[in-house]
Amino acid sequence: DTAVSQTPKYLVTQMGNDKSIKCEQNLGHDTMYWYKQDSKKFLKIMFSYNNKELIINETVPNRFSPKSPDKAHLNLHINSLELGDSAVYFCASTSLGNTEAFFGQGTRLTVV
Amino acid sequence: GENVEQHPSTLSVQEGDSAVIKCTYSDSASNYFPWYKQELGKGPQLIIDIRSNVGEKKDQRIAVTLNKTAKHFSLHITETQPEDSAVYFCAAIRGYQKVTFGTGTKLQVIP
Repeated sequence: DTAVSQTPKYLVTQMGNDKSIKCEQNLGHDTMYWYKQDSKKFLKIMFSYNNKELIINETVPNRFSPKSPDKAHLNLHINSLELGDSAVYFCASTSLGNTEAFFGQGTRLTVV
Repeated sequence: GENVEQHPSTLSVQEGDSAVIKCTYSDSASNYFPWYKQELGKGPQLIIDIRSNVGEKKDQRIAVTLNKTAKHFSLHITETQPEDSAVYFCAAIRGYQKVTFGTGTKLQVIP
């Protein structure tokens, strides 16, 4: 069983489109994250949710809107996609506090 | 906020040699320091971690050391093998705050 699963794994889309990435975890964790990894491999946090409540919102354009229907899911919707949004997006989950974070396999988004 | 610096950005070693990756952090209240390994096409995976009440931790060929006074911690891999080739990330965490990752080190083990 996959602990943290993201769909899709690859996403190619045109500029201006709206797209969503889904994430689900079956670990019983209460905290989920979205990270963006650029071409230089820098991992930067975008959002964090704890029990469906937003607790971290970094300086991310408001074209990005996370949604957490329950604490096992954290989806990422992106409006009006731009070339600079091309990156690998990782979902992760953990129990709030100092514990191991489990990452999904990533979604490679390419905006053309 | 927390700032984590990681060096070197790339590291090449011969198989069997040791590899050391160093990180420094800025927030003296950070108390949990995990290391993640990211293989090509996969998400990062925890390989070892250390808490601020411990100075060193070892797990087979991997060890981590922590110097709280100097605010730096290091990953040591001994007897490197080709499968150790990956990108390694350090991180520093304070209580319930977000995970701040280092900038990553691409390790290449040459057979």
